[in-house]
Amino acid sequence: GEDVEQSLFLSVREGDSSVINCTYTDSSSTYLYWYKQEPGAGLQLLTYIFSNMDMKQDQRLTVLLNKKDKHLSLRIADTQTGDSAIYFCAERGNAGNNRKLIWGLGTSLAVNP
Amino acid sequence: NAGVTQTPKFQVLKTGQSMTLQCAQDMNHNSMYWYRQDPGMGLRLIYYSASEGTTDKGEVPNGYNVSRLNKREFSLRLESAAPSQTSVYFCASSAGTGYWENSPLHFGNGTRLTVT
Repeated sequence: GEDVEQSLFLSVREGDSSVINCTYTDSSSTYLYWYKQEPGAGLQLLTYIFSNMDMKQDQRLTVLLNKKDKHLSLRIADTQTGDSAIYFCAERGNAGNNRKLIWGLGTSLAVNP
Repeated sequence: NAGVTQTPKFQVLKTGQSMTLQCAQDMNHNSMYWYRQDPGMGLRLIYYSASEGTTDKGEVPNGYNVSRLNKREFSLRLESAAPSQTSVYFCASSAGTGYWENSPLHFGNGTRLTVT
C-alpha cells in the first residue's frame, strides 16, 4: 500500500538551515503537504506543492519535489528556536477513489541556541 | 478567528465509561474529520464526514461512533472506553466536499484522553 517515510529526528543550530526529507511510494500523488505541530497544539499547514511543480518558495521555506525519486524536502532557512516542532509530510494520491491522505510519522526538529 | 474548536482539552476515563468529544468549526467548511495520534503510529483517521448528513469510516473506526450534527459540528463518541483508546484526538475540517478533495486540513488543538 501507499507509504510516506520521514526520519524521526533532526537537530540544528540556530541560524543554520534545516532540511527535512520525506519519501513516498504513490506514483499518482497529486498534492504533497508539510504540516507543523508545536507542543500541545494541533497540526498547522505550512505549505503544499502540486505534483507538476519542482519547487515552491515561501519566505524562509523552500519545498523541493523530485517526482522521479518520489522525494520531497522542506528547507527552513535561518532556523530559529521557534521552529522547534514536529514536521509532518503528507501526500494525496490520485488513483481513482483511493485519493486518501497518507501521513508520515513526523520529524522532530530541535533547534539549539 | 476560532477555526476548529475541540472540547474538552483533557479527559480521564475509567474502562467502560462513555464520553463524547465535541468539535466545531466556524470556517463554513464542508468536510470534517476525526484523527487519533499515537506515538510511533502517526495520525490515523477514525471517521470523516464529507458533507452535512454523511459520515464514513476511516482506518480505525472500531469502538467509535460519530454524529455530524450540522455543518459546524462533528462529535466523536466512545461508548465503552478501553485503555487502547488512550490517545490524542484531533478534529479537522476542510473546505471541499469529500475525502478525496485537495483543500488542506485545518486542525483543532486536540483532546488528550487517558483511559485507566
